[in-house]
Amino acid sequence: SAVISQKPSRDICQRGTSLTIQCQVDSQVTMMFWYRQQPGQSLTLIATANQGSEATYESGFVIDKFPISRPNLTFSTLTVSNMSPEDSSIYLCSVEASTGFEKLFFGSGTQLSVL
Amino acid sequence: DAKTTQPPSMDCAEGRAANLPCNHSTISGNEYVYWYRQIHSQGPQYIIHGLKNNETNEMASLIITEDRKSSTLILPHATLRDTAVYYCIVRVNDMRFGAGTRLTVKP
Repeated sequence: SAVISQKPSRDICQRGTSLTIQCQVDSQVTMMFWYRQQPGQSLTLIATANQGSEATYESGFVIDKFPISRPNLTFSTLTVSNMSPEDSSIYLCSVEASTGFEKLFFGSGTQLSVL
Repeated sequence: DAKTTQPPSMDCAEGRAANLPCNHSTISGNEYVYWYRQIHSQGPQYIIHGLKNNETNEMASLIITEDRKSSTLILPHATLRDTAVYYCIVRVNDMRFGAGTRLTVKP
């Protein structure tokens, strides 16, 4: 299994500011993903974090708003830029670990509230 | 877009089996069915997955119909701690979550 540390666990931010969320894994993983979960909703895939290259974004998500870094196989960051109240959500880091089959492990998430 | 259909909510009595259905009528031959659950305020947790055959592990059993167009997750003896949202996912290249089923286990 993979142990994921996600920081911060929660934050309250002002409109117009930016927040960077960190995701650290205890082992090297090939695939890392970022999800958003809006209040009362299911998870929506934001992007796949690619090591050494630009992230692959899903429809409706753009790099200027959600820049992602992945400098190595154990670490990634997601920045929520120029925040508005509509960005208030839980942001989750996920990794895929090969254990004979692929399955996802999730961090505990970052609860973001934008005032 | 999610490729699965699940009932929005279900109740189950503590100690009884919980049977959670999932329809995935457009599933392709090489796509796996995965089940995850999300307990309030936590990240989703892997439960089980399968391709064609029925599967069982320490958490649950997965029954997949012969035509693979639907499946059922079985929690054999539900406890209060099994109260969660359960997601059925057909895996393409990445995991896309549908609305899931909110299971409430009642005393």
